[in-house]
Amino acid sequence: KQEVTQIPAALSVPEGENLVLNCSFTDSAIYNLQWFRQDPGKGLTSLLLIQSSQREQTSGRLNASLDKSSGRSTLYIAASQPGDSATYLCAVPMNRDDKIIFGKGTRLHILP
Amino acid sequence: NAGVMQNPRHLVRRRGQEARLRCSPMKGHSHVYWYRQLPEEGLKFMVYLQKENIIDESGMPKERFSAEFPKEGPSILRIQQVVRGDSAAYFCASSPDLRRNEQFFGPGTRLTVL
Repeated sequence: KQEVTQIPAALSVPEGENLVLNCSFTDSAIYNLQWFRQDPGKGLTSLLLIQSSQREQTSGRLNASLDKSSGRSTLYIAASQPGDSATYLCAVPMNRDDKIIFGKGTRLHILP
Repeated sequence: NAGVMQNPRHLVRRRGQEARLRCSPMKGHSHVYWYRQLPEEGLKFMVYLQKENIIDESGMPKERFSAEFPKEGPSILRIQQVVRGDSAAYFCASSPDLRRNEQFFGPGTRLTVL
């Protein structure tokens, strides 16, 4: 059974700092890994999707890495801004099933 | 190409009433997934449907919940005789045939049971 864990559960950092969010998964037989952003009371915004054959993906100030063998992914946010404040979700679909397994998220607060 | 659409965005029901949540997938997508996010919890898979077929309902509660995705029209998640514990955000996602593991999410329906 796949389990996805995100650490830390909450994080507050001053504006301008670089930061790393962590995600771990128990079953390395993943098809891809996706990072989402969720603002309070809102839906999900897809940030980055890493295929199982890839090691990382970049979009603007965001960089996501994937290490299947160790069951880990990191989301790196450079030069954080108050607008980055949100909950960040790590999600993994399985090969056999199409459903996505989500972590509980990291609540990020960027202090102005 | 419009994204995944869900309505209503907010739904208030009294205990014992029925709730019907609608999801229109992206154009060209024939796979629909429903997820539930309870307060302070992560998103949990409920059901996966293709047109006119339920593929995987392993996350659906055994009673009061049902889902359909008819040949024409939106997918419907139906909750009968709602209880306060059903209060949650319900998200729908859709995916295309060739990339079924890349799911696009709707804005969600927030159900409040009084």
